[in-house]
Amino acid sequence: GEDVEQSLFLSVREGDSSVINCTYTDSSSTYLYWYKQEPGAGLQLLTYIFSNMDMKQDQRLTVLLNKKDKHLSLRIADTQTGDSAIYFCAESIGLDGGYNKLIFGAGTRLAVHP
Amino acid sequence: KAGVTQTPRYLIKTRGQQVTLSCSPISGHRSVSWYQQTPGQGLQFLFEYFSETQRNKGNFPGRFSGRQFSNSRSEMNVSTLELGDSALYLCASNRDTSYEQYFGPGTRLTVT
Repeated sequence: GEDVEQSLFLSVREGDSSVINCTYTDSSSTYLYWYKQEPGAGLQLLTYIFSNMDMKQDQRLTVLLNKKDKHLSLRIADTQTGDSAIYFCAESIGLDGGYNKLIFGAGTRLAVHP
Repeated sequence: KAGVTQTPRYLIKTRGQQVTLSCSPISGHRSVSWYQQTPGQGLQFLFEYFSETQRNKGNFPGRFSGRQFSNSRSEMNVSTLELGDSALYLCASNRDTSYEQYFGPGTRLTVT
């Protein structure tokens, strides 16, 4: 079945690293994504990883994928107050003609405090 | 490069009415997908259009429909509105050769 799970809340101190975790169930997922949503806004694509990769780094963001356990994590180094938002994990489901159906987790609310 | 745009940004309708939402994808993007976001159900896939054809569809009733025009702009329509249709409706676009989906700011629909 199609299901993505995330913890709902994470609180970190400014300057520390944040790690947001996600598990997914569909073994046929090809791409896994992290999106950020700030209040009153749409979704901002942060990064994504192909399912045959273990890790991807992009500036302060590091994505780790454990395909065996179907576990995805997003690490934000040197977390800043501007990183406070809701972070969504999503998997793409292969359908006829493409992989554009995304299944989202419920989102993790990241709160950064001084 | 302009991002995905959605109009209107906010809408208030009454139960039983119908509504049309519009989405303009990023230039060069031919695939447009629609999602519904509610506090209770989270983000759910509605449908995807590519080259004016519906390519994929989520589990929503037939009251939800959409279309895509030759310039890749897309509209979605909800008929016979129910209170439960109150949500943020998000549109996303991507190039057919890319897996990067970019979202617009959404249309906030309130049904009273």
